Amino acid sequence: DIQMTQSPSSLSASVGDRVTITCRASQSISNYLNWYQQRPGKAPKVLIYAASSLHSGAPSRFSGSGSGTDFTLTISSLQPEDFATYYCQHSYSTLRTFGQGTKLEIK
Amino acid sequence: EVQLVESGGGLVQPGRSLRLSCAASGFTFSTYEMNWVRQAPGKGLEWVSYISSSGDTINYADSVKGRFTISRDNAKNSLYLQMNSLRAEDTAVYYCARDRTVSRFDYWGQGTLVTVSS
Repeated sequence: DIQMTQSPSSLSASVGDRVTITCRASQSISNYLNWYQQRPGKAPKVLIYAASSLHSGAPSRFSGSGSGTDFTLTISSLQPEDFATYYCQHSYSTLRTFGQGTKLEIK
Repeated sequence: EVQLVESGGGLVQPGRSLRLSCAASGFTFSTYEMNWVRQAPGKGLEWVSYISSSGDTINYADSVKGRFTISRDNAKNSLYLQMNSLRAEDTAVYYCARDRTVSRFDYWGQGTLVTVSS
């Protein structure tokens, strides 16, 4: 099975900051990588799919990059509503493993 | 409007069984792959199970293999998760999620809480 590892596990930042979260796959997954945002008590929402494609309705300040085993999610200018937990997930196979999550907190 | 509504959660004793349902509406259910994802209290997301649109391809996480069974009824626009031999570590919110083939989970239900405790 493919393992997904995110870093950091938590991150403190301020409104307006540029933030980057990384995700590493245990084997090459081409660009089969998705990013989700989850706010407390809510279901996750997809932000980025196929490593760099912005999902419909997701704000343009979110962007993704990478291929193979290493991927990044970047938020260009943090907004108050962006403080949440972010997860990567591969879609290389039908065993769709998630990363352990990155909690983004207000500094 | 796409909607996924889970039901069937609750408090159950260890070793017992529970069946979750996910009612789908607003899209052609029979053409989409579906998944179950769970989240233990205060923990991250864990993918649980996948089923193809026709139901002929199924996968499970190792943590539930042999105990959980995913199924679907395309005539009833419904997804199911039969959970047997439940353990305390199965305590979680269970979400159903629509799968865009070889891509993302684009719609999620609101989740149903399963608590395994004596």
